[in-house]
Amino acid sequence: AQSVTQPDIHITVSEGASLELRCNYSYGATPYLFWYVQSPGQGLQLLLKYFSGDTLVQGIKGFEAEFKRSQSSFNLRKPSVHWSDAAEYFCALGGGADGLTFGKGTHLIIQP
Amino acid sequence: GAVVSQHPSWVICKSGTSVKIECRSLDFQATTMFWYRQFPKQSLMLMATSNEGSKATYEQGVEKDKFLINHASLTLSTLTVTSAHPEDSSFYICSARVAGVTNEQFFGPGTRLTVL
Repeated sequence: AQSVTQPDIHITVSEGASLELRCNYSYGATPYLFWYVQSPGQGLQLLLKYFSGDTLVQGIKGFEAEFKRSQSSFNLRKPSVHWSDAAEYFCALGGGADGLTFGKGTHLIIQP
Repeated sequence: GAVVSQHPSWVICKSGTSVKIECRSLDFQATTMFWYRQFPKQSLMLMATSNEGSKATYEQGVEKDKFLINHASLTLSTLTVTSAHPEDSSFYICSARVAGVTNEQFFGPGTRLTVL
């Protein structure tokens, strides 16, 4: 069975500092991977996605993620966070004809 | 492009009543729509997959008689929570897959259901 693990429930980062959110997956084939952001009471916004090809994926709002097959990871990074980045971040696996499997999410807190 | 809407955005109902939630793809045709449920401060759980013109496929543990899904057209899927109870209170989010484009889903803004 496929699964997504986000080891960090909460992360606190100072504004302007760099950020890395971890995501590990379990899947029997080449995965389709996504990162979404959700603000309180809102729907999901796609930050970036990996289907194939270049393992370093650029997304919106200055985010990037790197797919590492050997580590079964798809970590999300941003060089300098802004207060507006405070939100819930979800890593997800799957797609196509199937629904997505989501990780439990990481709550990002930005300190002034 | 690829906008998905949901209506209503929030609803409060009495226990025992039924509530219908609509999911529409506004600028594309969606052969497949998905329904997810999100409890407070938790992740999204896939409830069912809905294909236009056919019966929905429900995930294990989801009661199909409780959560009725209809996908009557390429732009509309509905979720009806029948005989709602307080434990059905949740955030319901739909997504739609673009026909002919694989592996990407576009999410609606969600519907918050509160059952009193």
